[in-house]
Amino acid sequence: EPEVTQTPSHQVTQMGQEVILRCVPISNHLYFYWYRQILGQKVEFLVSFYNNEISEKSEIFDDQFSVERPDGSNFTLKIRSTKLEDSAMYFCASGRTATSETQYFGPGTRLLVL
Amino acid sequence: EDKVVQSPLSLVVHEGDTVTLNCSYEVTNFRSLLWYKQEKKAPTFLFMLTSSGIEKKSGRLSSILDKKELSSILNITATQTGDSAIYLCAVGKETSGSRLTFGEGTQLTVNP
Repeated sequence: EPEVTQTPSHQVTQMGQEVILRCVPISNHLYFYWYRQILGQKVEFLVSFYNNEISEKSEIFDDQFSVERPDGSNFTLKIRSTKLEDSAMYFCASGRTATSETQYFGPGTRLLVL
Repeated sequence: EDKVVQSPLSLVVHEGDTVTLNCSYEVTNFRSLLWYKQEKKAPTFLFMLTSSGIEKKSGRLSSILDKKELSSILNITATQTGDSAIYLCAVGKETSGSRLTFGEGTQLTVNP
């Protein structure tokens, strides 16, 4: 069964460093998402992406964040200058169609900012 | 502001018990309600509900949506230790490519 994959599974970085989180969505899916979950808190939406542009973004997704689909398979989330409060599990998700049909989640990247 | 509230926040039962998890929502332009199971990491999809009153079933799990009451329940019958997980409710909107808004989750522990 096809699944969303994410790399790395864990990332430790120093405050102020840039990180890039990578995702390979399910191959016939057209909509891509990033969510994050701070330890002990709710899963929160960051951004959705379709047709090589951002469809929607949350208040969390400020200028420090960017997303890109550099080729036909990868979908990346970049955090330019990490802060302590960026420490969280970051989930990539993909969906086949436009409306809120099922979004399938990857296993996540645990980011720790020191 | 969109809101999804789950109850209870945690539940401890014995194997074989039946449990009912609740989710209520206040969302503009509601389209769908989704249930996910989160064990160690990624939420894994269980059900998506868009129509009121139609039960969805998968093995011992079932779920139903009540659009009048703006709520949904997830039932698990004959619980097993492998059902121990956080159960997440999320709501999606009509907007194209839109976000899911998640509740806090219900932590279910099934003891042998």
